[in-house]
Amino acid sequence: GAVVSQHPSWVICKSGTSVKIECRSLDFQATTMFWYRQFPKQSLMLMATSNEGSKATYEQGVEKDKFLINHASLTLSTLTVTSAHPEDSSFYICSASSSSYNEQFFGPGTRLTVL
Amino acid sequence: GEDVEQSLFLSVREGDSSVINCTYTDSSSTYLYWYKQEPGAGLQLLTYIFSNMDMKQDQRLTVLLNKKDKHLSLRIADTQTGDSAIYFCAERKAAGGYQKVTFGIGTKLQVIP
Repeated sequence: GAVVSQHPSWVICKSGTSVKIECRSLDFQATTMFWYRQFPKQSLMLMATSNEGSKATYEQGVEKDKFLINHASLTLSTLTVTSAHPEDSSFYICSASSSSYNEQFFGPGTRLTVL
Repeated sequence: GEDVEQSLFLSVREGDSSVINCTYTDSSSTYLYWYKQEPGAGLQLLTYIFSNMDMKQDQRLTVLLNKKDKHLSLRIADTQTGDSAIYFCAERKAAGGYQKVTFGIGTKLQVIP
């Protein structure tokens, strides 16, 4: 299957700082990338969907000014958590898909801890 | 995950079969998936089934789909301790021009040696 990487795998930051998480498709061109958030012992909740070169589509209840998504190329999408607060601490997982695949390929996730 | 429901926990003895059940609500789902997540790790796709199929077998894994009842199950034969993980059921459907995947809350499988 196709490989998706995320960087960093974990990050600890102070409240009020911004954190950028990268999601890369390593061996295919991802026309669509998805960002999910997973709280402890809960399911994955879709935050937003981004198509290369266009603005991301955010799910209801997700603040687009707080969670900035950039999908500048067919292999890279970034999620920036601006002015992070402790309640933003979570496991953030990206996935990528293309017209060639009938599935989404998931990255390994990034654990964000905001102190 | 309110559109996809799963039981939270399943405990089985090593060597027995495990059956994890899932129900979904949207009959327009095109694909249904089973993912495995080990502690602190991302999701690993185990298997998937197209919505017009009723069964798919892949080595120790058997997926059964009852489209009328919107019920999906994953059977793991000869369950091993390495199968201990959280298993997510997910449905895929078209939403606003793209394919959206909705996950259940996950079933934690505990395999007792």
